[in-house]
Order: sequence, then C-alpha cells, then structure tokens
Amino acid sequence: DADVTQTPRNRITKTGKRIMLECSQTKGHDRMYWYRQDPGLGLRLIYYSFDVKDINKGEISDGYSVSRQAQAKFSLSLESAIPNQTALYFCATSGGQGLAVNEKLFFGSGTQLSVL
Amino acid sequence: AQTVTQSQPEMSVQEAETVTLSCTYDTSESDYYLFWYKQPPSRQMILVIRQEAYKQQNATENRFSVNFQKAAKSFSLKISDSQLGDAAMYFCAYSGGSNYKLTFGKGTLLTVNP
Repeated sequence: DADVTQTPRNRITKTGKRIMLECSQTKGHDRMYWYRQDPGLGLRLIYYSFDVKDINKGEISDGYSVSRQAQAKFSLSLESAIPNQTALYFCATSGGQGLAVNEKLFFGSGTQLSVL
Repeated sequence: AQTVTQSQPEMSVQEAETVTLSCTYDTSESDYYLFWYKQPPSRQMILVIRQEAYKQQNATENRFSVNFQKAAKSFSLKISDSQLGDAAMYFCAYSGGSNYKLTFGKGTLLTVNP
C-alpha cells in the first residue's frame, strides 16, 4: 500500500460545485502539504500543516480550504469550484526535526481535477 | 522569498548521450536542501537526487549527478548514458531554514530520442 494515498485519482465536476480531495498517510509524519500543478507553472503550495492544530496558507490559498482531521488525514476543499481550478493536485508529507524536515517530501499519486 | 528558476522549458537528448538541466535559486539562508524530482507520464513525483548546502561534495546517484555552485546559487543536473525511461518532466526544488516548504521551479520537459 502507498505511504501517501490521495482520493479520488481523477474527478470531473461542474462550476459552483463543492469538492473535497482527501489525503491520508501511514508514515507517521506531522507535516502535510497540498500543492497544485499547472502546465508551465510547476508546483505551487496551497496550504500546509505542521500538526493537527496548525494550519497555514501557502502562496495560492484563495478559493481553497483545508481540514486536518487527524495526524494522518489532511483534506482540501474547493467550496465553489471554478474552471481555473482545473489542475493536478498533490498531497505530500515530511518528517524529521530541525533542518531535517527539509530532507524530503513524500508525495501521493495526485488527483487530476477538471472543472467544467 | 525563495525562488527557483529553470530556464529550459524543454530539452532533448539522444539515447546514451549526456544532458545537463539547469537550475538557479535565490535565498538568503545558509542552510538548505536542493532537490531534483522526476515526473514521468504516470505523474508520480520521484526524488532523483538531493544536495545539502553545507556539503561541498556534489551528490551522485548512479547516472545522475549534480553540479552545485553555492556562491553562484546554481544547481544543475547531469544525466549520463540517457535512457528512454529518463524521459519525463524534471523539477528543481529548494527547501531551507525555518521554511519547511518545498519551492519548485517550473520544470524542464526532457525528451530522449532513440
């Protein structure tokens, strides 16, 4: 089984719909992240969480919200989806202490979201 | 804010040849990590190689090696003996200090020609 699991793998929805993307991990990491990938733009950080009680906005958080339900679960919501939120979404985790938290991110397999 | 720049949107290489992908970054931190991630058509993000800034020796992983120039803030990836399976999007990334977040470049699409 994958260490970082994202569901669904693919999703097509309509403008104005509420969408939730889910992420769970079995690595025991405290830190979890949501990234968005667009062609030609690389990956950009939406939200990140350092523990269950700590949620932080990334560089492109407008139009998104998150919930850290448990150490292992971090979900991303689009309250009212719009077409320019069509993208590939990645969840990731990291562990370690001090600078070692920078050592590596573990990625899920991504959710391709299309908003029509 | 940290930035990562990949100046080559696309590169191509002949099978068995060597190719170098460029990356520059901007930071005021002294301690940080640099990474190259590979994203094949399966879209999985695969860590290829990483470099700790405090290490002067360039990292190497089999056919993959980096040229880390700290003063120039440059971090290029060299792929030797290119294989068809190396065809992918390659992302350079930075993480450092109290940031604890990866900042990515926009990516370089590598094509390997048989």
